[in-house]
Amino acid sequence: GQQLNQSPQSMFIQEGEDVSMNCTSSSIFNTWLWYKQDPGEGPVLLIALYKAGELTSNGRLTAQFGITRKDSFLNISASIPSDVGIYFCAGEISSGSARQLTFGSGTQLTVLP
Amino acid sequence: SAVISQKPSRDICQRGTSLTIQCQVDSQVTMMFWYRQQPGQSLTLIATANQGSEATYESGFVIDKFPISRPNLTFSTLTVSNMSPEDSSIYLCSVGDSQPQHFGDGTRLSIL
Repeated sequence: GQQLNQSPQSMFIQEGEDVSMNCTSSSIFNTWLWYKQDPGEGPVLLIALYKAGELTSNGRLTAQFGITRKDSFLNISASIPSDVGIYFCAGEISSGSARQLTFGSGTQLTVLP
Repeated sequence: SAVISQKPSRDICQRGTSLTIQCQVDSQVTMMFWYRQQPGQSLTLIATANQGSEATYESGFVIDKFPISRPNLTFSTLTVSNMSPEDSSIYLCSVGDSQPQHFGDGTRLSIL
């Protein structure tokens, strides 16, 4: 099956710094998604990308769907304490009514005051 | 987006027992999914719960261990059968028809 390589595995940054994380795959995906998971909760969708080359922003978050459809990155600008959590990329293959979502291994983000 | 409620939110179970997890959605959805998230790990798809037919299981997951019901378009259950400590995980349901999948808060399961 498909595998996603997400990096870095963890990050410790100072409040106010920018953050970048990325996912790569040997497989092509139709859709790239970025989720954030807080302790005790399920993943929450941050950004969805549907077209190769697409660059999408959601507040301080910016994500891009790689041209080759095999990679994506997420940037967070001017980090704040509530950005702490685990960030997951996910690639989706959809064919007819079937939808297959593959998750990256996650990036644990810690924001230091 | 649909509101997803999972029950129980957490449980501690004895090995060898079974637990049924419920997932309720506040609107009708065609596609419901069950995932497992082992401690410190990412999410792995267990199966797609199909209304009116058997669930579609991913490689490494079997119906005898993880039976799934989908009696209607707003509800599904996942049973974790004959539990062992290796089954200690968070189990999450998600929904997603034309929208990206979004998730319930999960069921945190510990097996002693």
